[in-house]
Amino acid sequence: QKEVEQDPGPLSVPEGAIVSLNCTYSNSAFQYFMWYRQYSRKGPELLMYTYSSGNKEDGRFTAQVDKSSKYISLFIRDSQPSDSATYLCAMSAGSGGYQKVTFGIGTKLQVIP
Amino acid sequence: GAVVSQHPSWVICKSGTSVKIECRSLDFQATTMFWYRQFPKQSLMLMATSNEGSKATYEQGVEKDKFLINHASLTLSTLTVTSAHPEDSSFYICSARSEGDGYTFGSGTRLTVV
Repeated sequence: QKEVEQDPGPLSVPEGAIVSLNCTYSNSAFQYFMWYRQYSRKGPELLMYTYSSGNKEDGRFTAQVDKSSKYISLFIRDSQPSDSATYLCAMSAGSGGYQKVTFGIGTKLQVIP
Repeated sequence: GAVVSQHPSWVICKSGTSVKIECRSLDFQATTMFWYRQFPKQSLMLMATSNEGSKATYEQGVEKDKFLINHASLTLSTLTVTSAHPEDSSFYICSARSEGDGYTFGSGTRLTVV
């Protein structure tokens, strides 16, 4: 079983839809959770960074963490064609710069105009 | 936010030659940097952890003599692919973490070995 599971998609939605992206994990030591957006042939871009359980909102993006269920989500409201990319979840056990981060495989999202 | 600069963004080299990729943290110091490799339609695969002033820690299955890592300062790590072969063609990405933030990635280097 992989430490982090993420559906690779692809996920196609119409412009303006609410998008829900999810990951599950098995390592209860994970405390820090991140979502990245990666465009083709580019490095991942950090979208959201959260600690422990709860919600965090930034513009059209909302990240949710449910540690009891080992489940994290990223919601995108009013999705735009420019949101079309691969979204990777990531998590680590600590906040130190030496901590390894474990990634999901990434979900490919396509927002259709 | 934190910025990580990676150069070159793409490189084509002949089989048997070596290629050096640089990764710099521009506005923060990074005692640790990470090097990843990504194949098409696959997630990031951690190759090694680069530690300033000491030897890198390689993941299982990664040849340390082929992928030389040097972390000579708090803002610079380099990855040298030695005696490159076509199977080394891939997308290489570095990352570092500034205090209190998530990991920031470089823009990646697409290596093509012909």
